[in-house]
Amino acid sequence: DAGVIQSPRHEVTEMGQEVTLRCKPISGHNSLFWYRQTMMRGLELLIYFNNNVPIDDSGMPEDRFSAKMPNASFSTLKIQPSEPRDSAVYFCASSVGASGGYTFGSGTRLTVV
Amino acid sequence: ILNVEQSPQSLHVQEGDSTNFTCSFPSSNFYALHWYRWETAKSPEALFVMTLNGDEKKKGRISATLNTKEGYSYLYIKGSQPEDSATYLCALGFYFGTGTSLTVIP
Repeated sequence: DAGVIQSPRHEVTEMGQEVTLRCKPISGHNSLFWYRQTMMRGLELLIYFNNNVPIDDSGMPEDRFSAKMPNASFSTLKIQPSEPRDSAVYFCASSVGASGGYTFGSGTRLTVV
Repeated sequence: ILNVEQSPQSLHVQEGDSTNFTCSFPSSNFYALHWYRWETAKSPEALFVMTLNGDEKKKGRISATLNTKEGYSYLYIKGSQPEDSATYLCALGFYFGTGTSLTVIP
């Protein structure tokens, strides 16, 4: 298995633009997590899905952020409109069940200018 | 959101030294504790999953213990090597500590 695949690896966008981050979890993993990593706060959980259903989105910073998981092999995290303070590395992780060790993707480094 | 704390924030040790660091968490509502190793420019890699009070896990020179009653876990590295340099994260369920950054000086 190729592991958790995230795209793009790097994204530079202008303030106000829509940004979509993509994640393909490991086949057979039924839990998927989106994290944001910043110097100040470390890894923050944004949202997690179990069997494609959003279970906890309390970490989503505000309405500009939305996440979907239309099927077991694909998830998106969208920011609209983007702001400079959204600049961070966004990680996707998947696991078998929510308590198992997570496998992380390589992350998407987002820069909003 | 659970408060997971790690100490120290950073650590420099000489090659060959043994070292340990701490992960503290609320002892109530314990579910599972994970340790991860995170090298610069890579993604976190799972080291251990610990679920039972008194659990001890070992992988090579790295080991971990768990005390759920008092709410802490220790990670030990025996005979540190430069390749052990990384940030070590613990997570209680979905919630991560901010990590301990280890630098092993040759």
